[in-house]
Amino acid sequence: QQPVQSPQAVILREGEDAVINCSSSKALYSVHWYRQKHGEAPVFLMILLKGGEQKGHEKISASFNEKKQQSSLYLTASQLSYSGTYFCGTEGSSNTGKLIFGQGTTLQVKP
Amino acid sequence: DAGVIQSPRHEVTEMGQEVTLRCKPISGHDYLFWYRQTMMRGLELLIYFNNNVPIDDSGMPEDRFSAKMPNASFSTLKIQPSEPRDSAVYFCASSLAEGGQYFGPGTRLTVT
Repeated sequence: QQPVQSPQAVILREGEDAVINCSSSKALYSVHWYRQKHGEAPVFLMILLKGGEQKGHEKISASFNEKKQQSSLYLTASQLSYSGTYFCGTEGSSNTGKLIFGQGTTLQVKP
Repeated sequence: DAGVIQSPRHEVTEMGQEVTLRCKPISGHDYLFWYRQTMMRGLELLIYFNNNVPIDDSGMPEDRFSAKMPNASFSTLKIQPSEPRDSAVYFCASSLAEGGQYFGPGTRLTVT
């Protein structure tokens, strides 16, 4: 079942923060986050595994609440380069490698 | 190190013709995925392989679609016969176990 992302779209000014949420109705083994710019392929950002720790690099981090079957992506002090569509991909309760992607959240960062 | 390679990048064909999309995964990756992306349906998993063996093809729309992975460095997705509703961007991705998926540049398919 497809995970639900919220919000569907966000418009920010440079330097502002944003949170994108991903919610599943089923138990999850892992959550992946990807960013896709217009006309390009999705790019892997990070993976959060069941029982793992919160992950992040630079000003982008994410958390995974296994009990609530939810993940959140945090973008801090956003930059113009953060613009794009963010997708979460969820993997079911066991390590199968199979992801189901959410519908995406479009983020636009303005100067 | 080279990323995932796909060919062709663009394909325009007429309804009823056979279309073959090609993918070379990242060396050493043991998972390979084929996705289709459209505005209406988003990013859909069609089929994936583990160590060259098809694991789940439940996303393949119908019998007109087939995929093969004859060796660890090559996979094909074939559509025969093609229909206008097959028009989409087709992505190939590869990964290690419990790793992120690395996508190729995609093939933009237009069926007229």
